[in-house]
Amino acid sequence: EDKVVQSPLSLVVHEGDTVTLNCSYEVTNFRSLLWYKQEKKAPTFLFMLTSSGIEKKSGRLSSILDKKELSSILNITATQTGDSAIYLCAVEPRYGGATNKLIFGTGTLLAVQP
Amino acid sequence: GAGVSQSPSNKVTEKGKDVELRCDPISGHTALYWYRQSLGQGLEFLIYFQGNSAPDKSGLPSDRFSAERTGGSVSTLTIQRTQQEDSAVYLCASSLIILAGGSTDTQYFGPGTRLTVL
Repeated sequence: EDKVVQSPLSLVVHEGDTVTLNCSYEVTNFRSLLWYKQEKKAPTFLFMLTSSGIEKKSGRLSSILDKKELSSILNITATQTGDSAIYLCAVEPRYGGATNKLIFGTGTLLAVQP
Repeated sequence: GAGVSQSPSNKVTEKGKDVELRCDPISGHTALYWYRQSLGQGLEFLIYFQGNSAPDKSGLPSDRFSAERTGGSVSTLTIQRTQQEDSAVYLCASSLIILAGGSTDTQYFGPGTRLTVL
């Protein structure tokens, strides 16, 4: 059964800290891994990773995929209170040629204290 | 509109009643997805549309759940005879499918509908 596991489940840090969120997966055929930030109801897209070892960056956030270890990390440097959210990792299995459903982990709840 | 929209944003209903949730995807997006997020749970896939057809209905939790999409655009998710365990946030997402080569495209989520079954 395809599954995605995230760790830690929750994390409390102080502003300015650096955090690393982990995502590991088991899928029959891997297409891509995605990170989303969920603050209220709707997850917002952060990164899509398809190739191993290539870091993607957006401001203070960065992410990298390790296909050998079947995992990915999301780093946030110099955290701010606005980074407080649930960070969701999702994997897209490869079924045929078209995009299909995403399999989500349960998320990491990040709380950044002033 | 610029993004995926969903209505209503909140719905409170009594056990046993039917509810209909609506999703308006981003214009031009051919793929549409429904997910459910129960309290403390990750997102759970329900159903996926490519155009008007649903090649994958494996995630629908019971035959009380159904969904349709018309005109390759708006989709409705219908829950019949609602139960308390149906209470959740129902999220819709859409993506632009590039058919040649089957390239993946990012799924963009709507704001969700919070369903509460009393």
